[in-house]
Amino acid sequence: QKEVEQNSGPLSVPEGAIASLNCTYSDRVSQSFFWYRQYSGKSPELIMSIYSNGDKEDGRFTAQLNKASQYVSLLIRDSQPSDSATYLCAVLDTGRRALTFGSGTRLQVQP
Amino acid sequence: DTEVTQTPKHLVMGMTNKKSLKCEQHMGHRAMYWYKQKAKKPPELMFVYSYEKLSINESVPSRFSPECPNSSLLNLHLHALQPEDSALYLCASSQDRDSQETQYFGPGTRLLVL
Repeated sequence: QKEVEQNSGPLSVPEGAIASLNCTYSDRVSQSFFWYRQYSGKSPELIMSIYSNGDKEDGRFTAQLNKASQYVSLLIRDSQPSDSATYLCAVLDTGRRALTFGSGTRLQVQP
Repeated sequence: DTEVTQTPKHLVMGMTNKKSLKCEQHMGHRAMYWYKQKAKKPPELMFVYSYEKLSINESVPSRFSPECPNSSLLNLHLHALQPEDSALYLCASSQDRDSQETQYFGPGTRLLVL
């Protein structure tokens, strides 16, 4: 059973702070990793994808991947109240072309 | 454009009804997916279509019947559902070309079975 683990939270940070979201995965051969943001009652929205070890930056978001430790993280700089949502870590099962999601981390940004 | 559309947005049906959910994408993607998401849970894969052929069925009960009429359209036919089938049904699509492909989700259909 391929697993993706996240802390469910809530993770509460003040406005303007850095939010750090973490994810671990069990399948050592996984190659593709994604972070989706999901507002309550809405569908998942892609925030970042990452495929290589190291950091990938896009605006206020930075994804970090460490395949040796089977660990993916998402940093959100200058957090805004509008960033309050559930963040889903997803790992692509290449053979099945299917995403396995973590349970999601609920982020609350306090004004 | 990374838009996947789904209709209807909301659906209420009785256990004896037959209804269909529709999904459409015009990104030239060749893989399409159905996921089911219960409240406060992550999406769970139901079906995968690759080049209009069903490639994965995650042991979904036969009261759910997928159909892919062409590369842009994906349907999910519903019949004799149970109240526990109430959930958000998400359609997604991807290029289905390599291991780095990204899945883009539609807005979902919120289904309530009475």
